[in-house]
Amino acid sequence: DAKTTQPPSMDCAEGRAANLPCNHSTISGNEYVYWYRQIHSQGPQYIIHGLKNNETNEMASLIITEDRKSSTLILPHATLRDTAVYYCIVRVDNNQGGKLIFGQGTELSVKP
Amino acid sequence: TAGITQAPTSQILAAGRSMTLRCTQDMRHNAMYWYRQDLGLGLRLIHYSNTAGTTGKGEVPDGYSVSRANTDDFPLTLASAVPSQTSVYFCASSDFATYHSDEQFFGPGTRLTVL
Repeated sequence: DAKTTQPPSMDCAEGRAANLPCNHSTISGNEYVYWYRQIHSQGPQYIIHGLKNNETNEMASLIITEDRKSSTLILPHATLRDTAVYYCIVRVDNNQGGKLIFGQGTELSVKP
Repeated sequence: TAGITQAPTSQILAAGRSMTLRCTQDMRHNAMYWYRQDLGLGLRLIHYSNTAGTTGKGEVPDGYSVSRANTDDFPLTLASAVPSQTSVYFCASSDFATYHSDEQFFGPGTRLTVL
């Protein structure tokens, strides 16, 4: 699976949009981009995933560049409860077990 | 539904002793996983099971064993614990065959200290 690069930390003001970038320049055609987050002392939580089209759900939006070498997770109105470590993961959906490779992630701090 | 439960919540274990970490899911997911999380190293996959009766090795399988006798349970056994196995252990499950997605659901974790 391709490697991802994320900034180690970011700050965001409460109520503003949080834009978390991820580089995955070696991504291959059949690899999906997944985002998870981990709130302190809890298990990771799935947020969203996509292949090449932009995706939106109740939690976030995922914007993938046309060349698929990078993506951005957008939390449209960040709250204090969104403070967490956010992981960007690329993997193949090959109908096999999901061996997620978690990197270091981005530690997002939402401030009042 | 409970989702995924893990037991115990935390444990202090003497080196050389054995221990089984329990994981149960009630979502009828076909795949289950064990990860460990260490400060500065993120989450690393220990073992996984794509379906009942099958298991596979992840990134860091040494010192651990698993079994998958049925769909719901996926216990992780440390046969002879060592201090380097001090970590937080997370169990997870997913059902890619049904949902065509690797959305993994994680348990609350077990904090293990080996002295």
